[in-house]
Amino acid sequence: EAGVAQSPRYKIIEKRQSVAFWCNPISGHATLYWYQQILGQGPKLLIQFQNNGVVDDSQLPKDRFSAERLKGVDSTLKIQPAKLEDSAVYLCASSLEGGLYEQYFGPGTRLTVT
Amino acid sequence: GESVGLHLPTLSVQEGDNSIINCAYSNSASDYFIWYKQESGKGPQFIIDIRSNMDKRQGQRVTVLLNKTVKHLSLQIAATQPGDSAVYFCAEKSSASKIIFGSGTRLSIRP
Repeated sequence: EAGVAQSPRYKIIEKRQSVAFWCNPISGHATLYWYQQILGQGPKLLIQFQNNGVVDDSQLPKDRFSAERLKGVDSTLKIQPAKLEDSAVYLCASSLEGGLYEQYFGPGTRLTVT
Repeated sequence: GESVGLHLPTLSVQEGDNSIINCAYSNSASDYFIWYKQESGKGPQFIIDIRSNMDKRQGQRVTVLLNKTVKHLSLQIAATQPGDSAVYFCAEKSSASKIIFGSGTRLSIRP
């Protein structure tokens, strides 16, 4: 079974630029999560999708971050404009459903904002 | 390779010894707890979970202990191997809330 795929793996941008990350979850997984992991910390949930609907985006900085999952499969996370403090690893995870189902994580995208 | 966290607490263990990684959680309403392993350059990987109606659960070479009275969770790894080197995170969840990850512990293995 293929795992969660993410691209790109690394991205370096200057502050105020825009960036987008892509995630392809495990086939058949209805729930998709985007996490931000700052160096030295545990992952922090940014947004959770159930199929193509948003379940929880309470910690998403909506003035600059946006995410979509248009067909209930792939998802993109965008930052516009980026700030220095956005430097982090952005992890995508998926699970069969929400609740207590195991989450499977992708390898992440390491973003450096200079 | 990349480091997941440069300033994490570190536990150094002799190869073959047992490792014990501790975690304090914050929310009394949390009723589900998970341990994740994160290797350099990779996403977290599920190790073992436990629900609040249990105080111990065993897997292959791993045991999780839960003490709800003091809100403490521990992960025991038996016969630690070089492949166990990673950052370990505990996470907590209540039925109505998102998973919240704790701060991690870096486990290093001495040959």
